Amino acid sequence: DTAVSQTPKYLVTQMGNDKSIKCEQNLGHDTMYWYKQDSKKFLKIMFSYNNKELIINETVPNRFSPKSPDKAHLNLHINSLELGDSAVYFCASSQLRGTGGSGNTIYFGEGSWLTVV
Amino acid sequence: QKEVEQNSGPLSVPEGAIASLNCTYSDRGSQSFFWYRQYSGKSPELIMSIYSNGDKEDGRFTAQLNKASQYVSLLIRDSQPSDSATYLCAVNHQAGTALIFGKGTTLSVSS
Repeated sequence: DTAVSQTPKYLVTQMGNDKSIKCEQNLGHDTMYWYKQDSKKFLKIMFSYNNKELIINETVPNRFSPKSPDKAHLNLHINSLELGDSAVYFCASSQLRGTGGSGNTIYFGEGSWLTVV
Repeated sequence: QKEVEQNSGPLSVPEGAIASLNCTYSDRGSQSFFWYRQYSGKSPELIMSIYSNGDKEDGRFTAQLNKASQYVSLLIRDSQPSDSATYLCAVNHQAGTALIFGKGTTLSVSS
């Protein structure tokens, strides 16, 4: 069973198009994330949702809009795609815990390779 | 701005040697520290987590944390060619918040 699954795995599209990436986790986690990994392999947080509520929204163009219909799903919609949007987008999830250093292990999906041409 | 710094490498070691990977972080209030391994074309996978000062060992891997120096490291003993990958250091300021990743160190183990 795949814990965090995202689709599509590969996506090639033209500039100006609108596309969506879907993500689902079956781990029962409260928190889900979208990370972007650029061509230099830098993995950067974009958004985080906890129980369908947006809790992290980094400096991301408003062409990117996350949507969480329930705590097991977090989708990413991208409008007016640009060449610079080409990257690997990783969905991830973790169990929300209290503070105290007990950890917050994040589990990643397999990634969605987006190429904008 | 919370930052996590790693030497990008590549770090090259011969098979059987000890590989030492280092990471520093800027936020003194950080609580949790993780090492992820990422093979080319794959997603990051968790290797080690450490939360308190000192060493934590798991098989051939040892994580070391020094909060006073804001420094965390990963030692890989008896390195194998299959250990060749990019190693990502990640830091968590508070449970329930996103991990902040370093840019990763590429390790190459030659047979």
